[in-house]
Amino acid sequence: EVQLVDSGGGLVKPGGSLRLSCAASGFAFDSYSMNWVRQAPGKGLEWVSSISSSSFNIYYADSVRGRFTISRDNAKNSLFLQMNSLRVEDTAVYYCARDLLAFGSSPFDIWGHGTMVTVSS
Amino acid sequence: SYELTQPLSVSVALGQTAMITCGGNNIGGKNVHWYHQRPGQAPVLVIYRDTYRPSGIPERFSGANSGNTATLTINGAQAGDEADYYCQVWDSTTAVFGGGTKLSVL
Repeated sequence: EVQLVDSGGGLVKPGGSLRLSCAASGFAFDSYSMNWVRQAPGKGLEWVSSISSSSFNIYYADSVRGRFTISRDNAKNSLFLQMNSLRVEDTAVYYCARDLLAFGSSPFDIWGHGTMVTVSS
Repeated sequence: SYELTQPLSVSVALGQTAMITCGGNNIGGKNVHWYHQRPGQAPVLVIYRDTYRPSGIPERFSGANSGNTATLTINGAQAGDEADYYCQVWDSTTAVFGGGTKLSVL
């Protein structure tokens, strides 16, 4: 079964750091570009970052550029999001999602269940 | 930055046709993707590249895109179609989502 399992969320103080992970199974992880998408409580979807299959290309939303770092380990079928200098407005459920088509133009066809990040003092 | 505009809510009678719009500047020149999201669940891709259905998505779901408006159409709406619906495009190196539309099936 094709599956993504997100983990690593939790409660952190403003200015703190957190590292999210996404474990992939059931497909050739190293052939797909991947993404992080977040959803603040009661709000809509917001794209965060994308990484190509080889890690050669990486994109970030303006709201997180310089604070968040996306990475992947193809040998371990894992995607990561290192989040530094966290702000209250980063509070959200974070989803990892797989690209269906080419990097930078693709819809997201497989989604993790999400992991909750709460930034609060 | 590119913006996508969706109605906050759409209502449809059971078994009737629902249409959800997504407005954007010359959106007809972009590939539009649609997702639905039931409460407490992850989004699910229902239409991609304007008109294509992923495997497992019923034929009741269809899409169109022209000019400044893309449209998701749900024929014969069922109770299980009640969800939030989001459109999405890529604008250069940024993925953009619409604000979402809550579909109520009455």
